[in-house]
Amino acid sequence: TQLLEQSPQFLSIQEGENLTVYCNSSSVFSSLQWYRQEPGEGPVLLVTVVTGGEVKKLKRLTFQFGDARKDSSLHITAAQPGDTGLYLCAGLYNQGGKLIFGQGTELSVKP
Amino acid sequence: GAVVSQHPSWVICKSGTSVKIECRSLDFQATTMFWYRQFPKQSLMLMATSNEGSKATYEQGVEKDKFLINHASLTLSTLTVTSAHPEDSSFYICSTVGGRDNEQFFGPGTRLTVL
Repeated sequence: TQLLEQSPQFLSIQEGENLTVYCNSSSVFSSLQWYRQEPGEGPVLLVTVVTGGEVKKLKRLTFQFGDARKDSSLHITAAQPGDTGLYLCAGLYNQGGKLIFGQGTELSVKP
Repeated sequence: GAVVSQHPSWVICKSGTSVKIECRSLDFQATTMFWYRQFPKQSLMLMATSNEGSKATYEQGVEKDKFLINHASLTLSTLTVTSAHPEDSSFYICSTVGGRDNEQFFGPGTRLTVL
């Protein structure tokens, strides 16, 4: 059974601080997707990483895919209250197949 | 990415009734859709894979007779919660597969409350 361990599950920080969210697995993924979800809404895709060692940036968010494609991280620089939400990583382990979701990280950024 | 809608966005029903939730792919022909449920402050749990023109594939522990899935066209999949009970109260979300890297695009979700 493929598992994707996401940590931390809860994070409460002050505006301006940096943070990193981790997703780790013993399985190799074809790709890994990061989503952000706000209460009462569906997840919104932030980025997809495909190549081992790949780094993608989205404004203050930096996403990295491990060399072996088993792990990924999301780093947020100078967090803002608008970054508050549930962050989900999800691994795709076969083309067109199911996503394996991490447990999610509930981020709260206080002004 | 693909645009996905769900209807209704929320529903309240009495215990024992059946509720149908629609998932529509508005700009993309979706041969495959996924149905998830989500409890507060938790991640998404895959319930089933909906395949156009064929039977859905259910995840282990999900009762196929309770959660009926129909995917009769390339733009519509429906999830019917039969004989709903309070423990079925949850946030139900569907998704389609699209994009260059087989990303999933999610609907806005349906909040089901069973009294």
